[in-house]
Formats: sequence, C-alpha cells, structure tokens
Amino acid sequence: AQKVTQAQTEISVVEKEDVTLDCVYETRDTTYYLFWYKQPPSGELVFLIRRNSFDEQNEISGRYSWNFQKSTSSFNFTITASQVVDSAVYFCALSQWGSYGGSQGNLIFGKGTKLSVKP
Amino acid sequence: GAGVSQSPSNKVTEKGKDVELRCDPISGHTALYWYRQSLGQGLEFLIYFQGNSAPDKSGLPSDRFSAERTGGSVSTLTIQRTQQEDSAVYLCASTSGDRPQHFGDGTRLSIL
Repeated sequence: AQKVTQAQTEISVVEKEDVTLDCVYETRDTTYYLFWYKQPPSGELVFLIRRNSFDEQNEISGRYSWNFQKSTSSFNFTITASQVVDSAVYFCALSQWGSYGGSQGNLIFGKGTKLSVKP
Repeated sequence: GAGVSQSPSNKVTEKGKDVELRCDPISGHTALYWYRQSLGQGLEFLIYFQGNSAPDKSGLPSDRFSAERTGGSVSTLTIQRTQQEDSAVYLCASTSGDRPQHFGDGTRLSIL
C-alpha cells in the first residue's frame, strides 16, 4: 500500500523564522516520484518540486529547500526566513512510476500542513 | 488559455440531482486526472485518462460517478443522484510525458 503522512496539521510561526514541514511516505515500489504542492488561500494547487527515487540530492531554490532521505522514507521541506506570503496549506505527494512510457501515475497526497506566518 | 480550465467554478444543486463538471486540459497534454478535495478525506484520486487507453477508474467512490474524455482533450465528470457527502472541490490536472501534473482551480460542488 502507498501512503503519505504529514504529521503536522497546523504550524504557526512569526515572519523570518525558519520552518520545516515533515513528510513520511510508504511504498513498496522501487521507483517512484515525490512532490510538494502549495495551496494558498485562493485555492489553486501550485507545483513546487518533484524528486524521483533515484535522486537523493537535496535541493535548494531560494528560501526553499528539500531533504530527501530514502533510509527514513522522508521528504521534508524547509522554508528559511518565512514570509507572510508563505501562508498556505502544503501537500506532500507520492506517485508510482507510470505504466505509460515513464509518465507518472496518479498522486497520493498527505493530509496537508497548514502554515500560518504572522507578521 | 495556458492553464487547466474547469467549469463551473461553483455549483449548488439539490440532493438527488445529476451534475456534470468539465475540464479543459492544457493543450497537448495526453494525461488527465480527476481528484476530489473534501474536509474529511483530504485530496483523493478519482480517475485517470492516458491517451487512448482505457481509463484507470480505481478511485471512483461509487457507481454514481463516471467520467469520459472526448477526442483526447476535454473531460466531463458526472455524478448521478448526488448525495450530501459528494460536496467537495473537484480538481482536474493534466500532464504529458514525464512532467509534473498541473491543476485547475477546481469546481466547488455543494449539495443541499
């Protein structure tokens, strides 16, 4: 069975604080993708990052960084120097390696972590 | 347009009525997905279309739910005899090849 767990339901921080959103996944597949999506109050789901299971290199994009560790089945997301505009619900997701020419399968989402950044 | 387009953005209907939700994927995208987002269940996969292949319907919660994709482009999700538990935001996503899924803004469905 495949499952994504985001244990933190809600997090509240003050602007400029660093914050880490946890994500733990379960899968029996040896090849898979991991994702983070952001859902701001306006409601649209915005893609942030995708990692495939072969690539454990951490990634940094501006104030965002991601730590992928297969040994602990975790794919954590850190926002450095948080800003009010970072307030949103963040979803971690998992997909199988798709059966159609390498395309991905459907996404399996965690329950999301609601991040509130206060000025 | 450049993104995934869903209509209507909001739909209010009475219990027992049928509803149709529409999704226009990004032009050229061969894969199309429907998801449902509700308070109690989070984001759930419903159905997946890839090219001309038979759709993956494994996420549909009951036989009241069906979907079709005409001409490999526009998709319609139909819910028959709606129930109050069908109230949710229905999201459509599309992609092609090995790219990440891009989502529409969703249809907020309210069953009275």
